[in-house]
Amino acid sequence: NAGVTQTPKFQVLKTGQSMTLQCAQDMNHEYMSWYRQDPGMGLRLIHYSVGAGITDQGEVPNGYNVSRSTTEDFPLRLLSAAPSQTSVYFCASSYGTGGGEQYFGPGTRLTVT
Amino acid sequence: LAKTTQPISMDSYEGQEVNITCSHNNIATNDYITWYQQFPSQGPRFIIQGYKTKVTNEVASLFIPADRKSSTLSLPRVSLSDTAVYYCLVGVNNDMRFGAGTRLTVKP
Repeated sequence: NAGVTQTPKFQVLKTGQSMTLQCAQDMNHEYMSWYRQDPGMGLRLIHYSVGAGITDQGEVPNGYNVSRSTTEDFPLRLLSAAPSQTSVYFCASSYGTGGGEQYFGPGTRLTVT
Repeated sequence: LAKTTQPISMDSYEGQEVNITCSHNNIATNDYITWYQQFPSQGPRFIIQGYKTKVTNEVASLFIPADRKSSTLSLPRVSLSDTAVYYCLVGVNNDMRFGAGTRLTVKP
């Protein structure tokens, strides 16, 4: 199994541009989530999904959209990039929806200039 | 959501046992306590999870007192490779929140 994969690994955007961060998992996990981590900080939850067709907001959802059309994929869309969105983005998945063990991807380092 | 409080940093030496305590005074009845480890430029990695008393796996032990208002992650005989940030999370639903974590530095 590849586990949780994320693309791209690095991305530079100009203010106002949009893009999609990709996340996929091959473990048939129902629960998937997106976090951002700013330098020296802990992770903050952006959006999560408890299954295909179901998404919900986390702690810092503004400026981001998600959709979950399949169990495997959970893309994160930046609608109009801002310098404040410069961060490392992690995708995670878990088998259950009860706060169990989450498997994290390698991260996407995004810089917005 | 239960708020967690951990020490910002800790130092230890190779071969010592390290105990990291997390406070979670407003933990709810159904909440579990979960610990993650994160190395630089990597995503967090699950270490251990528990609800009450003691849980042990191949890498760590988790001690939870009866009132569950705190928990202690115990790492036996640490090595240089255990230098990382350790996060304590409390919750039961999907909205799990990471705190700032504890930066553990293991010295030779």
